[in-house]
Order: sequence, then structure tokens, then C-alpha cells
Amino acid sequence: EVHLLESGGGLVQPGGSLRLSCAASGFTFSSYSMTWVRQAPGKGLEWVSAISGSGGSTYYADSVKGRFTISRDNSKNTLSLQMNSLRAEDTAVYYCAKDVGSNYLYYFNYWGQGTLVTVSS
Amino acid sequence: EIVMTQSPATLSVSPGERATLSCRASQSVSSNLAWYQQKPGQAPRLLIYGASTRATGIPARFSGSGSGTEFTLTISSLQSEDFAIYYCQQYNNWPPLTFGGGTKVEIK
Repeated sequence: EVHLLESGGGLVQPGGSLRLSCAASGFTFSSYSMTWVRQAPGKGLEWVSAISGSGGSTYYADSVKGRFTISRDNSKNTLSLQMNSLRAEDTAVYYCAKDVGSNYLYYFNYWGQGTLVTVSS
Repeated sequence: EIVMTQSPATLSVSPGERATLSCRASQSVSSNLAWYQQKPGQAPRLLIYGASTRATGIPARFSGSGSGTEFTLTISSLQSEDFAIYYCQQYNNWPPLTFGGGTKVEIK
């Protein structure tokens, strides 16, 4: 059974940093692209960043480019999102999601339960 | 960036009735469109991919249609567990992957 478990969320001041992690199990982690999707309170879904199965290709939304860094450790089945220079508008539940593809981006057949990031002074 | 527009924002439907949700792309996405269902406090769940293929375990009352720029999700006979928010997502042109703003299906 596929399982994705996010961690690392919390309250952080504007300009601060936070690192999210997603522990994956139940599938061959290195064979699939992984994505972070966020959802601001009461709002819709926003794609944030993705990484290919090998980790060789990374992609970012313009809203986070230059501030966020996605990475993965295929030996530990872990996906990460390093978030720097956080802003109030980054406040959201962050979901990690498993893509159906390996080197390209498609759609997501499994999602974690999410971790809440709150950026506030 | 491809903009996805969903309508209506809210759909009020009685149990047992049919619900028809629309999703429009700002340019053609071929059939590279997925639909998700999200209930309060839960993660989204994949319903449809390839515009019309049901994901594993999704009941037959959910169907998707369309291609190019116009897509429809139909729920043939609404059950109590179907009241939720539905999102479309294109994966034809990326980055970025883009979602629609969602349609909330509520009890009439």
C-alpha cells in the first residue's frame, strides 16, 4: 500500500525558513516523479514544485522560484522542500503527491495528508 | 501558462440527481486532463485521468468527457459521499501544472 507522510510544517516568521519532508513507502520511490502541491486556507490547489524520479530534473512555480528548493533521497525514500524567504502568502497546507510518471509530469494518484505551514509574525 | 477555469463555482444538487461540472482550458490540452475530489480536511483523490478514464476504485457514476479546451465531469446520481469540491488539472503543458479553481458540489 502506498503511503506518503509529510512532516516539518509549523509557524515561522516572515523571511524565515522551513524544511518539509515526505516519507514514502509502498512503491519503488526512484521510479516516479514527485510533486509538492499547496492549498492556502479556504482556497484551491496550487502546484509548487516537482522533481523527476532520478532527481535530475526539477521544476518550480514562478511564485516560489529562487526561494524554494526541491530534492529527494532515493536511498531513504524521502522527498524534501527547503523553503527560504517565506512570505505570508506561502501560508498553506503542503501536500506531497506521487506522479504516475518517472521523467515527466502528469497527474497524481497518491497524496499525503498534508502539513500546515503558517508564516506570521 | 495554461489557465484552467471551472464552472460553476458552486453547484447545488439533490441526492440522486445528476451533476455536471465544467472545466475550460485557455488553450488546448488535448486529453491531458485529470479530475480530483476533495472532502473537507482530506487530501485530494484522483477520479479521472486522460479526460475520461476512471482511476482505480472510482465508481462508474463518475464519468469524464471532452478534449482540447472543454471538459465535463458528470456524476450520474449523486450519493451523500459525493458532496465535495472537484478540481480539474491539466498536464499537457508544464511547468507549471495548473489546476482549476474548483467546483463545490453541495446538497440542495
